[in-house]
Amino acid sequence: NAGVMQNPRHLVRRRGQEARLRCSPMKGHSHVYWYRQLPEEGLKFMVYLQKENIIDESGMPKERFSAEFPKEGPSILRIQQVVRGDSAAYFCASSQNRQGSNQPQHFGDGTRLSIL
Amino acid sequence: GESVGLHLPTLSVQEGDNSIINCAYSNSASDYFIWYKQESGKGPQFIIDIRSNMDKRQGQRVTVLLNKTVKHLSLQIAATQPGDSAVYFCAEASYTGNQFYFGTGTSLTVIP
Repeated sequence: NAGVMQNPRHLVRRRGQEARLRCSPMKGHSHVYWYRQLPEEGLKFMVYLQKENIIDESGMPKERFSAEFPKEGPSILRIQQVVRGDSAAYFCASSQNRQGSNQPQHFGDGTRLSIL
Repeated sequence: GESVGLHLPTLSVQEGDNSIINCAYSNSASDYFIWYKQESGKGPQFIIDIRSNMDKRQGQRVTVLLNKTVKHLSLQIAATQPGDSAVYFCAEASYTGNQFYFGTGTSLTVIP
């Protein structure tokens, strides 16, 4: 009964490198959401994807950040040329139907990204 | 814009007492609300949800109350246990939206 799986759990990168965060949704879920959390703060929405489509990326920075959810394989959140301000916990959530159908999102345990 | 805020950033209760965590929201269009529990180093865990056509919903040891008039949401935990120590977030969403809006969170500490 696997839930949302994220890897790696911890990722350390130097400034200027690329970070790739992976998320496998719960079985049967085709809607994926990425959130960012700073220490002692709530989660901030970044992007909502369905298979092969970005539905809403209004919370994602226009530069350096991208996300995909291919037909096969996990969803990927990619951060290019990382800076210290990218250090945060990144959480992925999934749902069976789109958010407007009033269903809870189920979260993974996150990837903690540290930029040196 | 939408905002979700919590009245109390920290809350300490004695084991066995009841806990009440409050949440204010500002988006009148929000029609679905969830309480999440987040333990250190883990992702948010679903506790209970409520739709706007209800004002109360009960689960196991938890009750959520929704007051749409004053845009207020609360989570009541009965007979609080040490395992309930965590940060609790309320989140709101609307039928037309694609995301949840999360509050800052309330840290609950249960004193044995």
